[in-house]
Amino acid sequence: DAKTTQPPSMDCAEGRAANLPCNHSTISGNEYVYWYRQIHSQGPQYIIHGLKNNETNEMASLIITEDRKSSTLILPHATLRDTAVYYCIVRGFGNEKLTFGTGTRLTIIP
Amino acid sequence: DARVTQTPRHKVTEMGQEVTMRCQPILGHNTVFWYRQTMMQGLELLAYFRNRAPLDDSGMPKDRFSAEMPDATLATLKIQPSEPRDSAVYFCASGKGQEGYNEQFFGPGTRLTVL
Repeated sequence: DAKTTQPPSMDCAEGRAANLPCNHSTISGNEYVYWYRQIHSQGPQYIIHGLKNNETNEMASLIITEDRKSSTLILPHATLRDTAVYYCIVRGFGNEKLTFGTGTRLTIIP
Repeated sequence: DARVTQTPRHKVTEMGQEVTMRCQPILGHNTVFWYRQTMMQGLELLAYFRNRAPLDDSGMPKDRFSAEMPDATLATLKIQPSEPRDSAVYFCASGKGQEGYNEQFFGPGTRLTVL
């Protein structure tokens, strides 16, 4: 699976959109981009995934660049409960394993 | 609200003792994963099962760790003998295991401290 690069930490004001970037320049055609988050002392939680098209669900939006070398997770109206470590993971089709990196520690500021 | 459950939530034991951690996957999920999380190594996959059969345990120290699924509702991770370096949070996750891209649902974890 392709390697991902994320900033180690970010801050965002409560109520604003949080935009978390991820670089995956070596991604191949059949690899998906997944986002999970881990709130302190809890197990990781699935957020969203995509292949090439932008995706949106009740939690977030995922924007994947046309060349698929990077993506952005958007939390549209961040709340204090969104403070967590966010992991961007690239995973090949048919590969059930998740390889977690160091993620981005997002802090929502009141 | 279906959830993965893990017991115990916390375990403190002495070096050399046997430790057994249990996981109940979400009903209907056929894939079970064991992860370990430490400050130094982050989240690492230890082993995973599909339909109760082990598919990959390459992340697990073979000499002291063992993972089993006695039935579809129970997965166990055993450490014998335990060592201080095994201190970590152990997470179990389950998924539907279809087509390789379904999400994994994580349990709350077992925090293990080996003295």
